[in-house]
Amino acid sequence: GESVGLHLPTLSVQEGDNSIINCAYSNSASDYFIWYKQESGKGPQFIIDIRSNMDKRQGQRVTVLLNKTVKHLSLQIAATQPGDSAVYFCAENNNDMRFGAGTRLTVKP
Amino acid sequence: DTAVSQTPKYLVTQMGNDKSIKCEQNLGHDTMYWYKQDSKKFLKIMFSYNNKELIINETVPNRFSPKSPDKAHLNLHINSLELGDSAVYFCASRGRHSGANVLTFGAGSRLTVL
Repeated sequence: GESVGLHLPTLSVQEGDNSIINCAYSNSASDYFIWYKQESGKGPQFIIDIRSNMDKRQGQRVTVLLNKTVKHLSLQIAATQPGDSAVYFCAENNNDMRFGAGTRLTVKP
Repeated sequence: DTAVSQTPKYLVTQMGNDKSIKCEQNLGHDTMYWYKQDSKKFLKIMFSYNNKELIINETVPNRFSPKSPDKAHLNLHINSLELGDSAVYFCASRGRHSGANVLTFGAGSRLTVL
C-alpha cells in the first residue's frame, strides 16, 4: 500500500549544528508534502510544505529538499536550537492525511 | 481564541467505562479528523468527517463512535474502555495553505484506562 515513513526514529544534535531529518514516501502522485513539528505536550504544528514540482523550498532556518527520483524528502534545520527539540512528521497531501512514524530531534546544549 | 479545542485534556477512568472527548474548531473548515497517538508517538488516523458526513473510517473497534452535530464539532465516544485504549487522542481540522491541505491540531486529550 501507499505509505509515508521515516528512516531515523531519533536524532541527537549539538546546539548550533545543522539537523537533517529524512522521510521516504511511496505515492508518486502526491502533489504536496508537509512537515509538522510536535513539541512535548502539544499537537503537531505545520512548519513548511513543498510542492511536487519543486526540489527545494526555504523557510526561516528550515529547508525542505524533495527528490522525486528516489521518493525522498528531507527537512534541514540550520543552527539548531533547544527550542527545535520535538518530534517531526512528514505527511502527504491527500484526503487520508496519513503520517509517518516521526523522528524525535533532541538538541544537546 | 484557540483554533481547535478539545476537552478534556486529561481523562483517567476504569476499564469498562464509557467516555467522550469533544472537539470544536473555529476555523470554518469543512473536514475534521480524529487521530490516536501511542507511546511511540505514532499518529494513526481513526476517522474523518467532511461537513458532518463520515468519509474515513479506519479499522477501529466499533466501541469507538464519532459524532459530528455540525461541521465545527467532531466528538469521539468510546464504550467499554480497555487498557489498550490508553493514548493521546488528537482532533484536527483541515484547511488550504498555499494549495496544500494542512491540518490544524488540538492540544490532545490524554486518556488513561486503569
